[in-house]
Order: sequence, then C-alpha cells, then structure tokens
Amino acid sequence: GNSVTQMEGPVTLSEEAFLTINCTYTATGYPSLFWYVQYPGEGLQLLLKATKADDKGSNKGFEATYRKETTSFHLEKGSVQVSDSAVYFCARSYGNKLVFGAGTILRVKS
Amino acid sequence: GAGVSQSPSNKVTEKGKDVELRCDPISGHTALYWYRQRLGQGLEFLIYFQGNSAPDKSGLPSDRFSAERTGESVSTLTIQRTQQEDSAVYLCASSLNGRGGQTDTQYFGPGTRLTVL
Repeated sequence: GNSVTQMEGPVTLSEEAFLTINCTYTATGYPSLFWYVQYPGEGLQLLLKATKADDKGSNKGFEATYRKETTSFHLEKGSVQVSDSAVYFCARSYGNKLVFGAGTILRVKS
Repeated sequence: GAGVSQSPSNKVTEKGKDVELRCDPISGHTALYWYRQRLGQGLEFLIYFQGNSAPDKSGLPSDRFSAERTGESVSTLTIQRTQQEDSAVYLCASSLNGRGGQTDTQYFGPGTRLTVL
C-alpha cells in the first residue's frame, strides 16, 4: 500500500511547549516525505521535506527526520508559538502524486 | 502569477447540476495536479497532467469527473450531475517538472470549496 498515518488531533499546547506530531508511512518504494501546513484561511504550504533515509528536513524551527527503520517522519518543534496554530499534513510521494495523512490540528494557547 | 490561483473560491450548487472549477498554475510549471479534501480527511489525488503526456486519471472517483489542461496553462475540473458526496474542497497544485515527486515540490492553490445541496 501507500498510506500515511498521522496522529489524530486536535493537539492543544501552551506557548513554548514542545511539539511532536507522529507520522508513519507504508514502506513501498523509496518515497520522499513531506510536511505541509495549512494556516487558517490560507492554502497548503510546504513546511519541510526529506528525500532519503536519515535526511532531516527543517524550517521555521520545525524538524523531521526520515527514519526508514521505523517508517516514520515525526514532526517536532522545541517551543511552539501561537502563530503555529494550523493544520499539519504529513505526505509521501507515490509516483507522480502525493499521498496525504488526514491532518492534525494544532492549537497553541498563549 | 506569483502562486497557484483557483476560481471560484466558493461554489454552492444543487444536486444534479454540472460545475466547472478552474486552476491557474505557476507560470513555467509543467506539472499540474488536482486533489480533493473532504471534511476531516486528508487530500485525495484525483488527476495529474505533465506537459503534453497523457494525464494520469487514476484518482478520478467516477466518470462524472473529468479534467482538461491546455498545454502548460490553465486546467478545468468538471463535475457532471453533482451529488452531495462531491462536497469538498478541491485543491490544485503545480510543480516545475513533476518528476515522480522525488525532489519536486508541489505548490498548492487556495482551493475551491464546493457545496452540493
């Protein structure tokens, strides 16, 4: 198969808390892995990506490491801000398309 | 333009009517994708265009759905005889060359929210 599974939300955190959003993928082929973010009222934006095993993608304080042995690509941030409140989507490439997880809503309270 | 644009942003239609959704990709991007996002779910792939190659229609859910693209420009997604289960946000994305997604970032438009009454 070619599915992506990510943790259900919503995830509610206080400002400056540590964030982890889990994502696992089916190990078909050698996919690239992505995290996309959708801020309220905006379109989907690429947050970070990794194209091969052990690569680490990072952007805006977010990081995710491509773990082939556990087929995971967990998203982490050391200190979240209110402005990080959004929906986060994990995705893998599958041929010419992207296969997405269901999305995780993150709410950060001040 | 600066990004992918889609129109209309919202569309409300009655069951059984046909609708057309439009996507303007980023200039110079040869690959164009349509996805559907139902409420509370992830994005589902619908169709992919790459240059002048035959499109990958493997994600279209029924023969009521069709899409066209002229060259490397605008694409139109048409849904005939709409049903209530067609209600969703329809997202368009484009990428520079669509090389199997391995290194090619897809840039998304804001989507069209379709509501079928």
